[in-house]
Amino acid sequence: DQQVKQNSPSLSVQEGRISILNCDYTNSMFDYFLWYKKYPAEGPTFLISISSIKDKNEDGRFTVFLNKSAKHLSLHIVPSQPGDSAVYFCAASYGASQGNLIFGKGTKLSVKP
Amino acid sequence: ETGVTQSPTHLIKTRGQQVTLRCSSQSGHNTVSWYQQALGQGPQFIFQYYREEENGRGNFPPRFSGLQFPNYSSELNVNALELDDSALYLCASSPAPPVGTEAFFGQGTRLTVV
Repeated sequence: DQQVKQNSPSLSVQEGRISILNCDYTNSMFDYFLWYKKYPAEGPTFLISISSIKDKNEDGRFTVFLNKSAKHLSLHIVPSQPGDSAVYFCAASYGASQGNLIFGKGTKLSVKP
Repeated sequence: ETGVTQSPTHLIKTRGQQVTLRCSSQSGHNTVSWYQQALGQGPQFIFQYYREEENGRGNFPPRFSGLQFPNYSSELNVNALELDDSALYLCASSPAPPVGTEAFFGQGTRLTVV
């Protein structure tokens, strides 16, 4: 049973536009959420995170929104750039897990020039 | 500050054999976690080591085992390899405490079992 779900396997966006990547979770014990970006032949790279006590966290072009009642989070990239083309993983953890991350299957983002 | 490094980068083994994968954690990090990423899937947690002790384990059989050394580097050992063990194995290190902190990943070891 998947606790973290990314229901869109792929997303294509025009350069300069907004990219919105979505993630749903089922475990209400999760208290920390992270987004990772992965290029081919590389390990995942940490992008941005959010604690469950917040509903928004912003870092440059990247913003993560958390809706606890809906058990949903989203990553907004504005403006999108061709270099953002990668697979994006949503991950979650909770205190008892000692920080172990539970990942979604990922969404492949393609930003077209 | 050095990042997380894994060796080897690629490996081909025969079913039934044993394999050891290695990971050097980022400087200052005392927690190492191992993940298995099958094709088309997200990384799946195998286990974590904190100050040389196993500190949590995912849903993997006992033939997956590990070690952490005093310098916080780590090994993942897999015995009696099966075809389904073919995957990208990722090592991640975290600063103490491990809870609620970002994990920094290595580039992974691609294991193919034939």
